[in-house]
Amino acid sequence: GENVEQHPSTLSVQEGDSAVIKCTYSDSASNYFPWYKQELGKRPQLIIDIRSNVGEKKDQRIAVTLNKTAKHFSLHITETQPEDSAVYFCAATRYGQNFVFGPGTRLSVLP
Amino acid sequence: GAGVSQSPSNKVTEKGKDVELRCDPISGHTALYWYRQRLGQGLEFLIYFQGNSAPDKSGLPSDRFSAERTGESVSTLTIQRTQQEDSAVYLCASSRGQGNTGELFFGEGSRLTVL
Repeated sequence: GENVEQHPSTLSVQEGDSAVIKCTYSDSASNYFPWYKQELGKRPQLIIDIRSNVGEKKDQRIAVTLNKTAKHFSLHITETQPEDSAVYFCAATRYGQNFVFGPGTRLSVLP
Repeated sequence: GAGVSQSPSNKVTEKGKDVELRCDPISGHTALYWYRQRLGQGLEFLIYFQGNSAPDKSGLPSDRFSAERTGESVSTLTIQRTQQEDSAVYLCASSRGQGNTGELFFGEGSRLTVL
């Protein structure tokens, strides 16, 4: 089955700096890779996703890149703000079956 | 409703009691997932339902845990003879399902505390 690893487990950055979180997956047939943000005490919510036929996707300060050959994908947050502080989870799935999540990255943006 | 609905939002129970948690997915979503999230931890997969197919139960931690779903509607997660280590938030999520890659929508979760 699919296995998703995520690094780092914790990340602290100064406000305004960039943050990068990396994930690797094992199933080459996985074709959809979402990123979820979970604020303290809240449910995980989708912030960006990418499909396997695309190498990069950007939405304002957030971007995701996918390297299918190496089986890894990354989340990039630029110009970080205190409200970006949260736990971020990556996930992989094949055709919407059985989403497998990474262990999460706790991002702290320091003022 | 517009989103995934879970009940109860909070449940406090005594060790050894049975509990039942309910999830009402978004209408039309064929896929439904249960995850367990202990305090400060990640999303631990428990069980996955896809339409009328046999569920993937590979994440259930013991035979005290079971879940049911009738068709594409409500699901219940039952924990028998609860233990203190069962204390966690139980998250339900639904999606359009197999063949339709798209967002997984989470409910607010049911916070279970076993005394």
